[in-house]
Amino acid sequence: DVKVTQSSRYLVKRTGEKVFLECVQDMDHENMFWYRQDPGLGLRLIYFSYDVKMKEKGDIPEGYSVSREKKERFSLILESASTNQTSMYLCASNPTTNEKLFFGSGTQLSVL
Amino acid sequence: SQKIEQNSEALNIQEGKTATLTCNYTNYSPAYLQWYRQDPGRGPVFLLLIRENEKEKRKERLKVTFDTTLKQSLFHITASQPADSATYLCALGLTGGGNKLTFGTGTQLKVEL
Repeated sequence: DVKVTQSSRYLVKRTGEKVFLECVQDMDHENMFWYRQDPGLGLRLIYFSYDVKMKEKGDIPEGYSVSREKKERFSLILESASTNQTSMYLCASNPTTNEKLFFGSGTQLSVL
Repeated sequence: SQKIEQNSEALNIQEGKTATLTCNYTNYSPAYLQWYRQDPGRGPVFLLLIRENEKEKRKERLKVTFDTTLKQSLFHITASQPADSATYLCALGLTGGGNKLTFGTGTQLKVEL
């Protein structure tokens, strides 16, 4: 089975801190994604990557950046965390375009 | 504006009945549609994919229909069980949208004994 692993289930950070969320997939997938999920708003795409060192903005990239130095790892970076970035963050991957997504278990981030 | 609508209210049904969940969309031209299941505190899990040229897809007790004229997908769970209780998300893959999926907000299903 494909495994997408997110480094933390719960994270508490202070406003202004730099935050790194890490995601690793073990099935050599080309594409990786970062979503955030908020009640009433559903999943919204932040960034995605279709190859090492390649990235594309999703629907809500403001306040975030990403890094993909190795194929299996996709990091989401909050340069200066703010309270409105408190959310559930979900990483996903898929092998090729237009295929199903495999999600990690999520990281619940609280910014105080 | 573009919208994907799923019933925001929870759907409560009795064990053994068929659950029907709705996904409506406006101002989209989806190439395909996917359904996911999400349990509390977990990431979504893929269930079914249906393409724009397909009317219906089945997998065990699950059935999905896709009507591009009505701009609607229906998701059916037959012989429902308490273990089917979860939130179900629909997601659209758009024509020319590359690899991006746009998700609805989900419908919570509760199957009671």
